[in-house]
Amino acid sequence: KQEVTQIPAALSVPEGENLVLNCSFTDSAIYNLQWFRQDPGKGLTSLLLIQSSQREQTSGRLNASLDKSSGRSTLYIAASQPGDSATYLCAVGPRLNKQGGSEKLVFGKGTKLTVNP
Amino acid sequence: SAVISQKPSRDICQRGTSLTIQCQVDSQVTMMFWYRQQPGQSLTLIATANQGSEATYESGFVIDKFPISRPNLTFSTLTVSNMSPEDSSIYLCSVAWPDVGAFFGQGTRLTVV
Repeated sequence: KQEVTQIPAALSVPEGENLVLNCSFTDSAIYNLQWFRQDPGKGLTSLLLIQSSQREQTSGRLNASLDKSSGRSTLYIAASQPGDSATYLCAVGPRLNKQGGSEKLVFGKGTKLTVNP
Repeated sequence: SAVISQKPSRDICQRGTSLTIQCQVDSQVTMMFWYRQQPGQSLTLIATANQGSEATYESGFVIDKFPISRPNLTFSTLTVSNMSPEDSSIYLCSVAWPDVGAFFGQGTRLTVV
């Protein structure tokens, strides 16, 4: 059974710092990995999607890497801002067969990030 | 990508009553997913809603408690029945494609008193 772990559970940093959020998964047979942002009491906003054949994806100040063999992904946030304060969730999409993946995601518990002005 | 509208955004309900949550997608999709997020926890999949067939429920979730409708390819509802305080959670609907990713509605924050 796939398990996804995110460390740390919470992180508080001063504005302007570069930071790294970690995600690990127990079964390397994944089809993709996706990072989300969740504001308090709200839904999830997709940040980055990495396919299993890819090593990293970038969007603005965000960079996500994937090391499937070691079961790890990192989300790097450059020059953090107070508006980045939210909970960040990673989720893995299992591989169904050689051709495709499952739409059913397995989520970590998230890292609650606070960026202090 | 997809734009998903979910309502209500929040509600406070009396125990023993039921609440129906609606989810509208801006494009036709084969499967829609309903998740629950209990306080301080991650997302747990409740069921997969397929158009034209019965929903498929995950272990620990039953149709009598969480009936789902899927009348067409852009709309679904989840009902939380006979509510108790333990049902207080955020409920989210989602669509997903393995090559595109998953997209979520704004969530429904339910408090049962």
